Amino acid sequence: RKEVEQDPGPFNVPEGATVAFNCTYSNSASQSFFWYRQDCRKEPKLLMSVYSSGNEDGRFTAQLNRASQYISLLIRDSKLSDSATYLCVVIDRNTDKLIFGTGTRLQVFP
Amino acid sequence: DARVTQTPRHKVTEMGQEVTMRCQPILGHNTVFWYRQTMMQGLELLAYFRNRAPLDDSGMPKDRFSAEMPDATLATLKIQPSEPRDSAVYFCASGLSVMGTDTQYFGPGTRLTVL
Repeated sequence: RKEVEQDPGPFNVPEGATVAFNCTYSNSASQSFFWYRQDCRKEPKLLMSVYSSGNEDGRFTAQLNRASQYISLLIRDSKLSDSATYLCVVIDRNTDKLIFGTGTRLQVFP
Repeated sequence: DARVTQTPRHKVTEMGQEVTMRCQPILGHNTVFWYRQTMMQGLELLAYFRNRAPLDDSGMPKDRFSAEMPDATLATLKIQPSEPRDSAVYFCASGLSVMGTDTQYFGPGTRLTVL
């Protein structure tokens, strides 16, 4: 079983829709959490950190559930430009290593 | 706009040849990471350095891969001899590690094809 698991998708949604992705992690020593975005044939880029209390950045909301060991990303009012792969990332407290999920692909259509 | 740079961007080589990939981290960053990405495995951490010291290379096939940081502005990843299964995109990332949190900035990657 992978340390960080995501539904690979693809999630195909129309513009304006709300879409949510979940990610589960198995290592209870995980201490920090992020969402990265990766466009086709490009490098991953940090989208947002995920804080215990949940946090919002414009149309994006991230939440963390430590008890159930999952994090989520909600995108409201989807834009065509949101089409990308979203990578869930956790940092292992013991090693400081970033562990990436394999990503969830989002395709927003007109 | 500071960026991580990687060279070459693309490399096609024949099995058995040596491949060297280079990375220039963002000035002032104290951690450097090498990742490999394939469709099947996603992003895999190969090695990482903090303050130029290698901290973990457990993700790297030791018999053929080596990673070094000869100075703070250059990290290298070498494969010798290369094999077709090494075909992947190799990303370098750098970051500033403070209190155990580490935001990483990725370079554009080296797309390696081993024939």
